[in-house]
Amino acid sequence: GQQVMQIPQYQHVQEGEDFTTYCNSSTTLSNIQWYKQRPGGHPVFLIQLVKSGEVKKQKRLTFQFGEAKKNSSLHITATQTTDVGTYFCAHPSGGSNYKLTFGKGTLLTVNP
Amino acid sequence: DTAVSQTPKYLVTQMGNDKSIKCEQNLGHDTMYWYKQDSKKFLKIMFSYNNKELIINETVPNRFSPKSPDKAHLNLHINSLELGDSAVYFCASSHSLADTQYFGPGTRLTVL
Repeated sequence: GQQVMQIPQYQHVQEGEDFTTYCNSSTTLSNIQWYKQRPGGHPVFLIQLVKSGEVKKQKRLTFQFGEAKKNSSLHITATQTTDVGTYFCAHPSGGSNYKLTFGKGTLLTVNP
Repeated sequence: DTAVSQTPKYLVTQMGNDKSIKCEQNLGHDTMYWYKQDSKKFLKIMFSYNNKELIINETVPNRFSPKSPDKAHLNLHINSLELGDSAVYFCASSHSLADTQYFGPGTRLTVL
């Protein structure tokens, strides 16, 4: 079924470095959601992007939705150890967009 | 006042046993879900209920039977547990189908 490709699968950075994860789809998405899952925790909703070219910021996190609504990115500026976790993108899918399909996630580890 | 709660948090059992996981949400949401997260952290939807009605059954073996006694509860019963059922099972809820998901803390099931 329809699924976004999320890359990279893993990313290890030094504290203070930037980090970006990407989600790419071959089809147009109605919206895209981003979630964060800390180690041992559960996924927590971060943000939803709906409009073409939309950019949203949450402190050091910047989320973008591509002009064609086929790709999205999450960028973290100056990573901190609290940013450690797996970041998932998710999008509505199915005949009537009745379910969320999650990307495979990007595991971010931060070296202090 | 946890929004989505699950019990138990950990479940260790022998192959062939039957077990249940319970989920409750106090967010007033109409839609509830069960997800399975395997060792590679891939989040896969299993079931979705909307207003107590089954909406999604993602080719899950019929050993898995969800039950929704009311909109605030969605339980998962598993018969004849197999080794491959070992995973973390997350309950989630949302206002409507494919909307922002609020996840429970997860149930780590280990089948020996």
